[in-house]
Amino acid sequence: GQSLEQPSEVTAVEGAIVQINCTYQTSGFYGLSWYQQHDGGAPTFLSYNGLDGLEETGRFSSFLSRSDSYGYLLLQELQMKDSASYFCAVRGQTGANNLFFGTGTRLTVIP
Amino acid sequence: EAQVTQNPRYLITVTGKKLTVTCSQNMNHEYMSWYRQDPGLGLRQIYYSMNVEVTDKGDVPEGYKVSRKEKRNFPLILESPSPNQTSLYFCASSLSGQGPYEQYFGPGTRLTVT
Repeated sequence: GQSLEQPSEVTAVEGAIVQINCTYQTSGFYGLSWYQQHDGGAPTFLSYNGLDGLEETGRFSSFLSRSDSYGYLLLQELQMKDSASYFCAVRGQTGANNLFFGTGTRLTVIP
Repeated sequence: EAQVTQNPRYLITVTGKKLTVTCSQNMNHEYMSWYRQDPGLGLRQIYYSMNVEVTDKGDVPEGYKVSRKEKRNFPLILESPSPNQTSLYFCASSLSGQGPYEQYFGPGTRLTVT
């Protein structure tokens, strides 16, 4: 089966840097994705890592280590609008096309 | 505007009364999927479709049906809704024929079954 673990809550100060970790267990692996969801809104895609290393998109970066079954989302120069829930997701077992999400990390940015 | 639309956005119904939630995308995406979101459980996949007439079960398919007769539409059918299907439902689509990468989500449908 598949399982993903992320912290349930993180609080950080405006302007700071925060890292949200995700560890996963899957029978096959096709990359780690990250999504953001504001309260009352729909999830929106942030990033995808198919290979080891760091992917950078503006203030957001995502990292993957396949040997450690671990990834993280790094948010820099935090803004109040970054307060949201963040979900990591992995594709299902080998040959399948289903997607499994973690239970999400609620980030609160404080002044 | 590229988007995924869902209807209705809110629905209150009674146990056993069949209902359909529609989902449509205008991006010519091949992959479409339905999720339910419950507090503390994150997003769980119900069904997905790789293309027209190709559907498969996700993590929690019991009590749901889907169909994909046209590329743009992927309705979710609850033949006999029960209170444990009270949830927030999202439809999503993605371009890649290789599966669920970079999914675009609809606005959600909040369903209450009494």
